[in-house]
Amino acid sequence: KNQVEQSPQSLIILEGKNCTLQCNYTVSPFSNLRWYKQDTGRGPVSLTIMTFSENTKSNGRYTATLDADTKQSSLHITASQLSDSASYICVVSLYGGSQGNLIFGKGTKLSVKP
Amino acid sequence: DAGVTQSPTHLIKTRGQQVTLRCSPKSGHDTVSWYQQALGQGPQFIFQYYEEEERQRGNFPDRFSGHQFPNYSSELNVNALLLGDSALYLCASRIQGEYGYTFGSGTRLTVV
Repeated sequence: KNQVEQSPQSLIILEGKNCTLQCNYTVSPFSNLRWYKQDTGRGPVSLTIMTFSENTKSNGRYTATLDADTKQSSLHITASQLSDSASYICVVSLYGGSQGNLIFGKGTKLSVKP
Repeated sequence: DAGVTQSPTHLIKTRGQQVTLRCSPKSGHDTVSWYQQALGQGPQFIFQYYEEEERQRGNFPDRFSGHQFPNYSSELNVNALLLGDSALYLCASRIQGEYGYTFGSGTRLTVV
């Protein structure tokens, strides 16, 4: 069964600190993996996208890694800001499939406190 | 360049009523997908439209139906609303064959 699991479910950190979010997937055939940021009540906004051959992708203070062998990805946030408070969703695309080609994780809810 | 536009942003309906949600895809995109996102959950795929036809469908009852127009915009219709239909409904568009999905801000539907 195609599945994306994220951990932790929620996380609280202090402003200025770093954090790492995890994503494990069992999706085949794999096409690419994305991390999205979703503010409460808003649509997801893409942060990074990685294909099978890419190990790391950065977008400002966000750095995503992908290990296609272990089927794991992480999103590292550096020097967190209050505006980073949101849900971060890991989404895996597959070729073909019957779910619109996207398998979503349930997200990690990040709260950055002053 | 406008992204994906959804309307309305918020909606309150009564059980048993019908609702229509609208989506205008990002310029140049021809494929539209609809998702239902319950509070605290990841989005669940409803269906996908391309060339005015439903191409894929998720595990949703027939009460959920849709349409795509020649200008690629799309509608999601839900009949006989249930309390459990309360959710954020997201529209995502892309170019068929590519993987650059763009999401709209969603429509928050509350069924009372």
